[in-house]
Amino acid sequence: GQQLNQSPQSMFIQEGEDVSMNCTSSSIFNTWLWYKQEPGEGPVLLIALYKAGELTSNGRLTAQFGITRKDSFLNISASIPSDVGIYFCAGAALTGANSKLTFGKGITLSVRP
Amino acid sequence: NAGVMQNPRHLVRRRGQEARLRCSPMKGHSHVYWYRQLPEEGLKFMVYLQKENIIDESGMPKERFSAEFPKEGPSILRIQQVVRGDSAAYFCASSPTSGRGNEQFFGPGTRLTVL
Repeated sequence: GQQLNQSPQSMFIQEGEDVSMNCTSSSIFNTWLWYKQEPGEGPVLLIALYKAGELTSNGRLTAQFGITRKDSFLNISASIPSDVGIYFCAGAALTGANSKLTFGKGITLSVRP
Repeated sequence: NAGVMQNPRHLVRRRGQEARLRCSPMKGHSHVYWYRQLPEEGLKFMVYLQKENIIDESGMPKERFSAEFPKEGPSILRIQQVVRGDSAAYFCASSPTSGRGNEQFFGPGTRLTVL
C-alpha cells in the first residue's frame, strides 16, 4: 500500500531556531497536508497544499508541495516552546475531493528554552 | 462553532465485550472518517462514510468491526468481541463537501483499552 516516510523520528532544537521536516512517498499524492498532534489530543490541521510546486504559509509555518508530487516539506521559523508536538504529513490521492488520508509516522519535535 | 466531538474519551473493555465509539462531525460536514492510531505510529485509515452510506471501508478489518452514520445522530464505530490488539486511540474526522474536501478536522479521540 501507499506509505509516507518521515525521518528522523525525533528532532531537538533550541528555542528561536528554524527547523525543516521532510516527507517522501514512493507514489504520487495530489493533495498534501501537515498536522500537529499534542499528547492526548487529535491532530490539528496546519497547512493544506493542492498544487505541485505550491508554497503556502501559515504564520511561522511554511510548507511546499514537491514538484514531483512525491514529497513535501514543512518549515517552522523562530521556534517557540509551544511548537512542541508530533508533526504528521498526510497525503490524499485526489485533489480537493473527499477521500481517505495516508499518514506518515510523524516527527516528534522538542524545543529547548 | 463546535468542532468534531467524540465520546467517550476513554473506554475500558474486557476481552470479548463490545466497544461503541461515537462521533459527531462539525456542523455542516457530512463526510466522516475513522482512523486508528497505535503508540508511536501515524494514523491508519479505517472507513469513510457519508450519511447512511459507507463510501470506502478498505482499511477496516473484515471481522468484528462495523461503522454506520445514520440519517439522524452520530457516526458509530462498533467493535465486537474485543481483543487486546484492539487497544488503540480511535480518531474520527469530518470534512466539508467542497473543493477543500480533503481538509479533515479531527476529534479528540477515544482511547480504548482492552483488559
